[in-house]
Amino acid sequence: DIQMTQSPSFVSASVGDRVTITCRASQDVGNWLAWYQQKPGKAPKLLIYATSSLQSGVPSRFSGSGYGTDFTLTISSLQSEDFATYYCQQANSFPLTFGGGTKVEI
Amino acid sequence: EAQLEESGGGMVQPGGSLRLSCRASGFTFSNSAMSWVRQAPGKGPEWVSSISGIFTHTYYADSVNGRFTISRDNSQNTLHLQINNLRAEDTAMYYCANQPRFTSGYYDFESWGQGTLVTVSS
Repeated sequence: DIQMTQSPSFVSASVGDRVTITCRASQDVGNWLAWYQQKPGKAPKLLIYATSSLQSGVPSRFSGSGYGTDFTLTISSLQSEDFATYYCQQANSFPLTFGGGTKVEI
Repeated sequence: EAQLEESGGGMVQPGGSLRLSCRASGFTFSNSAMSWVRQAPGKGPEWVSSISGIFTHTYYADSVNGRFTISRDNSQNTLHLQINNLRAEDTAMYYCANQPRFTSGYYDFESWGQGTLVTVSS
């Protein structure tokens, strides 16, 4: 199974900050990497697929990069509605696996 | 816009069974692969099972293989998950999600339902 490791687990940030979250895969997943945002009591929401493709309706302050085993999600200027938990997911092969999550909090 | 609505969750004793359903609308259901993803309280999401669109190939996590069965009724735009021999560790919110890029070999989850809660307790 492909293990996904996110860092950091927690980010303390303020509105307007630039936030970067890292995801590392235990083996090469090419560009088959997705990012999700989850708010309390809600389902995860797809933000980015194929490493850097922005899902329809997602603000352009979100961006993704990377290839192979190392990936990054960047929020260029944090907004109040961005305080949430973020998960990466390898979309390359079964079993599909998620990272442990990064909680972005004030 | 894809809409997904799960149902069928509840509280059940260890060893019991449940059948979860997911009603889909807003997209061509028969062409889309579908999945179940669960999330235990305070934990991250965990993929459970997927089913392809046309040929209905099925895939399972090791933790549920042999106990869970995924199926679909394309005439009713509905996805099902039969869960048997439930264990305490199966307690979770169960979400259905569609996978529109599945035939391209890309297995992300585009749209999610609101979830249905399964609680296994004696």
